[in-house]
Amino acid sequence: DVQMTQSPSILSASVGDRVTISCRASQNIRKWLAWFQQKPGKAPQLLIYEASTLERGVSSRFSGRGSGTEFTLTINGLQPDDFATYYCHQYSILYSFGQGTKLDIK
Amino acid sequence: QVQLVESGGGVVQPGTSLRLSCEASGFTLRNYAMHWVRQTPDKGLEWLAIISYNGRDKTYADSVEGRFTISRDNSKSTLYLQMNNLRREDTAVYFCAKDTHHNTLTGFPDYWGQGTLVAVSS
Repeated sequence: DVQMTQSPSILSASVGDRVTISCRASQNIRKWLAWFQQKPGKAPQLLIYEASTLERGVSSRFSGRGSGTEFTLTINGLQPDDFATYYCHQYSILYSFGQGTKLDIK
Repeated sequence: QVQLVESGGGVVQPGTSLRLSCEASGFTLRNYAMHWVRQTPDKGLEWLAIISYNGRDKTYADSVEGRFTISRDNSKSTLYLQMNNLRREDTAVYFCAKDTHHNTLTGFPDYWGQGTLVAVSS
């Protein structure tokens, strides 16, 4: 199984900040990584796939980087709607998810 | 617009069975593989199963292999998850999700339903 480890688990930030969330895979997953945003009681929403490709309709304030085992999600100019939980997801070897990073307001 | 609506959740006793349904609209279900994923506060998101567009190929997570069965009826635009011999640790919100491809193990889940809660308790 591919284990996905996100850091930090909780991130406190202010509107307008730039934040970065990290995700590490236990094996080489090449570029087969997606990022999702989830709000309480809602379905996860796709933000980025293939590590760095922005899903249609997603703000360009979101960006992804990485390959192999190290990946990051960066959000520029945090907006109130961005405060949510973010998950990385690998789809290289079966499927697995990171444990989530809760982004809350400082 | 893609819509996925899960149903069939509820409170059940350990050892019993339950079948979840996921009704799809806004896209042609028969063209895509489909997933089931569950979520708990403790374990987070856990992928469970995938079925190919035509139902011929299925892959399961080790944690549910042999107890859960994924199936689909494209004529009814519906995906199913039959869950047998339920355990307390199966308590979770269950999501269905559309894959980006028609075959298994080639894409990833892009659109998700809102989920249905399954609680296994005596």
